[in-house]
Amino acid sequence: LAKTTQPISMDSYEGQEVNITCSHNNIATNDYITWYQQFPSQGPRFIIQGYKTKVTNEVASLFIPADRKSSTLSLPRVSLSDTAVYYCLVGPSILTGGGNKLTFGTGTQLKVEL
Amino acid sequence: ETGVTQSPTHLIKTRGQQVTLRCSSQSGHNTVSWYQQALGQGPQFIFQYYREEENGRGNFPPRFSGLQFPNYSSELNVNALELDDSALYLCASSLAGGVSYEQYFGPGTRLTVT
Repeated sequence: LAKTTQPISMDSYEGQEVNITCSHNNIATNDYITWYQQFPSQGPRFIIQGYKTKVTNEVASLFIPADRKSSTLSLPRVSLSDTAVYYCLVGPSILTGGGNKLTFGTGTQLKVEL
Repeated sequence: ETGVTQSPTHLIKTRGQQVTLRCSSQSGHNTVSWYQQALGQGPQFIFQYYREEENGRGNFPPRFSGLQFPNYSSELNVNALELDDSALYLCASSLAGGVSYEQYFGPGTRLTVT
């Protein structure tokens, strides 16, 4: 599985855009990039997944350059409630016979202040 | 549609004892995965069950075992508890197959071994 590297922590203020970058230099051709969010004492929550270029949903955007060796999770106009740990995951998908197994690193602790 | 539930919420056990944790999957999901999350770390994959059979296992000893029932609920059993087993135990349900890495996590069971 591709190893991921992301900042241990980031600070921001309400209303700002936050970009968290994840490095995955040895990503394989069939690997997908997925981001999860986790609040204290809760299970992780799926945010977004992509393979290449840009993916956007109601919560975030995911930017993936052509070489796919990194990815950037973009959170528009963060609020205090976005304070959480954000995990970048990289791995292949299993098309049959069960589900994908998630490999988490230590994540990025995002702290949003007023 | 009900989410993933886990019981109990908290549990205190003594070293050497055995423990059973329970998980009720999200309606319609046929795959359940269990994760162990130590304080300050990302969740670590223990094993996955698909159609009542173990479908992949992480780097955990055999004293960690599980079951999945016909209604897709699941149990995690840990024998001969050790102090290092103290952690948050998370279960996540999903649908098998496809490229999605989206799994739905429960709130977890906080296990303390003394």
